[in-house]
Amino acid sequence: DQQVKQNSPSLSVQEGRISILNCDYTNSMFDYFLWYKKYPAEGPTFLISISSIKDKNEDGRFTVFLNKSAKHLSLHIVPSQPGDSAVYFCAASSNTNAGKSTFGDGTTLTVKP
Amino acid sequence: ETGVTQTPRHLVMGMTNKKSLKCEQHLGHNAMYWYKQSAKKPLELMFVYNFKEQTENNSVPSRFSPECPNSSHLFLHLHTLQPEDSALYLCASSRSNRGEKLFFGSGTQLSVL
Repeated sequence: DQQVKQNSPSLSVQEGRISILNCDYTNSMFDYFLWYKKYPAEGPTFLISISSIKDKNEDGRFTVFLNKSAKHLSLHIVPSQPGDSAVYFCAASSNTNAGKSTFGDGTTLTVKP
Repeated sequence: ETGVTQTPRHLVMGMTNKKSLKCEQHLGHNAMYWYKQSAKKPLELMFVYNFKEQTENNSVPSRFSPECPNSSHLFLHLHTLQPEDSALYLCASSRSNRGEKLFFGSGTQLSVL
């Protein structure tokens, strides 16, 4: 049973427009959520996170929204830039599970100039 | 540069070979991890070490043997692997093992022939 799912394997947007990446989870014990970005031939790098006590966290062009009742989070990138083209992973963790992070499959974002 | 260095970047080995993957972190973190990423699959947690002690073994076959001599170094010893073990192996570290953000190395792309 995959506890963290990113149902869109890929997303393509025009430069300057908004990119919205979605993530769903099933485990209600998750209380901390993270987004990572991965370029080819590199390891994932941390992008932004949100605690379950919040519903929004913003960092520059990146905003993460959390809807606990729907067990859904999304990452908004605005405006999107060609350098944002990468694979984006959603991850979730719980203090009750020794803090292990469970990852989604990833969504490949392509931002076209 | 994430502060986590993995060597080698690429490795090709036969099923009867013995090889080791090395990871070093320069971040002063206390927790280190091995993850596996197979094609079209989410990142799978393999092992977790906290203050040099193994705290998690995610049902990994014994042909994978981790070693953590100190909080800065992590090894993954490989022996009699199978072709299905071919994958990207990622090392990560974090300040603690409480689900905080992970800092990943660039990974070792392993091919088992």
